[in-house]
Amino acid sequence: KAGVTQTPRYLIKTRGQQVTLSCSPISGHRSVSWYQQTPGQGLQFLFEYFSETQRNKGNFPGRFSGRQFSNSRSEMNVSTLELGDSALYLCASSFGTSGGRDEQFFGPGTRLTVL
Amino acid sequence: AQSVSQHNHHVILSEAASLELGCNYSYGGTVNLFWYVQYPGQHLQLLLKYFSGDPLVKGIKGFEAEFIKSKFSFNLRKPSVQWSDTAEYFCAVITPSSNTGKLIFGQGTTLQVKP
Repeated sequence: KAGVTQTPRYLIKTRGQQVTLSCSPISGHRSVSWYQQTPGQGLQFLFEYFSETQRNKGNFPGRFSGRQFSNSRSEMNVSTLELGDSALYLCASSFGTSGGRDEQFFGPGTRLTVL
Repeated sequence: AQSVSQHNHHVILSEAASLELGCNYSYGGTVNLFWYVQYPGQHLQLLLKYFSGDPLVKGIKGFEAEFIKSKFSFNLRKPSVQWSDTAEYFCAVITPSSNTGKLIFGQGTTLQVKP
């Protein structure tokens, strides 16, 4: 079966701009989680969406937001970009119905560079 | 707050050497535990997971991990590493009572296997 896909794979933006990243989960998966990966902070949880509702949220400022559509595809948006937002953004999908026991399948990530 | 600590940041081994990567978590309740691996240029993928039962769990590619509840540890082991095991390894937890899609990751351990 097809894996998790993320678009675009690479993005270069300047400070103050906004950006939208997209994630298409594995067919049948209803949960999409987003993570930020940086050399200094490692992998940090941003938020999770399940059946179009945000189910969990990490400790990121309100500039980071997301949404999920009825087909389970998800987008995340970062407004007013800062240099520190440069990172690899990963999304992961799962069935999301087993109380945290589901395997999360990760996409290749979107590499965001803020200049 | 829950956290995961991986003791070794960078490990260098020769082929056929034994591997043990340490992982400790801070959470007093029931947890679901995972080890993920990120091979160079590839997606994060699941190596193994533990929810309950036998504390010694086996994963893919000859990896195993032991859950020791009294030590809040979930160490990853492999009796004999190969050059192809060169990768970054992440320990992660989910607390099943809530936060079902929120993986909390350790900082990661970079393993370099010399041929």
